[in-house]
Amino acid sequence: QLQLQESGPGLVKPSETLSLTCTVSGGSISSSSYYWGWIRQPPGKGLEWIGSIYYSGSTYYNPSLKSRVTISVDTSKNQFSLKLSSVTAADTAVYYCASSEWELKNDAFDIWGQGTMVTVSS
Amino acid sequence: DIQLTQSPSFLSASVGDRVTITCRASQGISSYLAWYQQKPGKAPKLLIYAASTLQSGVPSRFSGSGSGTEFTLTISSLQPEDFATYYCQQLNSYPTFGPGTKVDIK
Repeated sequence: QLQLQESGPGLVKPSETLSLTCTVSGGSISSSSYYWGWIRQPPGKGLEWIGSIYYSGSTYYNPSLKSRVTISVDTSKNQFSLKLSSVTAADTAVYYCASSEWELKNDAFDIWGQGTMVTVSS
Repeated sequence: DIQLTQSPSFLSASVGDRVTITCRASQGISSYLAWYQQKPGKAPKLLIYAASTLQSGVPSRFSGSGSGTEFTLTISSLQPEDFATYYCQQLNSYPTFGPGTKVDIK
């Protein structure tokens, strides 16, 4: 059974870059069966998709964040990562990594990490 | 981008009640719709995908229907563990989520 675990700093200063990693266990990040994504949730608010990456390396980003987001894969570590630049307090949120057996699940995210809280503050 | 609205935004119900939540899309999305359940402090859990397909392990009291622009999530007999917030998500274009429906105990 696939499992995901987020890791990274819980506090980031304004204008700096937020960097998170999602470690995949129980399956290969190179598998064509999955695609991988990041979703965030500000405190007390709803869910926002940040972006996704396919096994081919193709990336898709939320247009509202596209200029600041980079998602990449490290196959040697079975991880994928998120970088969000020029952060402000509005980027304070719980960040989730997730995966989708895209062909079987109509692109829905069926496996989620537990989430990690990131606060943007000086 | 495709906007999703959910109604109601909040509902109060009792154990055993039949509950229906509606999700409307600003344009047609075929059956590219999923439903998630989220409990406080926890990650969302996939309940339904492709508008009406029950995710493995999800109780059969949950069902989904609809296509195009209008979708529903129904809980046939509400159980204590079902009190949570429910989100719809469209996957026809870049993914967006609805604002959520909180189901609370009456």
